[in-house]
Amino acid sequence: DGGITQSPKYLFRKEGQNVTLSCEQNLNHDAMYWYRQDPGQGLRLIYYSQIVNDFQKGDIAEGYSVSREKKESFPLTVTSAQKNPTAFYLCASSIDRDLETQYFGPGTRLLVL
Amino acid sequence: KNEVEQSPQNLTAQEGEFITINCSYSVGISALHWLQQHPGGGIVSLFMLSSGKKKHGRLIATINIQEKHSSLHITASHPRDSAVYICAVRSNTGTASKLTFGTGTRLQVTL
Repeated sequence: DGGITQSPKYLFRKEGQNVTLSCEQNLNHDAMYWYRQDPGQGLRLIYYSQIVNDFQKGDIAEGYSVSREKKESFPLTVTSAQKNPTAFYLCASSIDRDLETQYFGPGTRLLVL
Repeated sequence: KNEVEQSPQNLTAQEGEFITINCSYSVGISALHWLQQHPGGGIVSLFMLSSGKKKHGRLIATINIQEKHSSLHITASHPRDSAVYICAVRSNTGTASKLTFGTGTRLQVTL
């Protein structure tokens, strides 16, 4: 079955620690996205990638980093510079950057210890 | 003021009721999306539309570009429709496209 997987479902971060959230898709989509969801707010774009080895900052990129070494994979690292990392993180993909229908992963909830 | 406003924020209905969720936006758009987020957090895309009306099963989405308004209707609602419904608009900023999301409408359908 084609789809997007995210892992882990829950992730705990200690003070000063970097953590990496995984996102994998087998839909053969070129474009991939990372969003952050906070209570009472709409989804906000962190980073997006239109093609392998290329990615662009979204609206709230500070304190985050990404890589796109393979078409199928778009991991997100939450660095210690992100002072308020507690949120629900959603990965999505689409055929291309023209933002046709986006397919979302199940999400990762990040909590700070 | 948010670029995308949804109403109501919360909605409780009895099974079988006809439901309407509204979305208003303030920017020029090329398309509007309706998404469904289940309690577990996963999001499913329901519709993408740029004009007129689309129907899928018991769900109907309409858009009025001149009035910058879209509605999502659910006919014969069922408890399994309980979810958060999110409106998102696609706008073109220079050479890039961007999705702006509303805060969602939480729907609870009871027996």
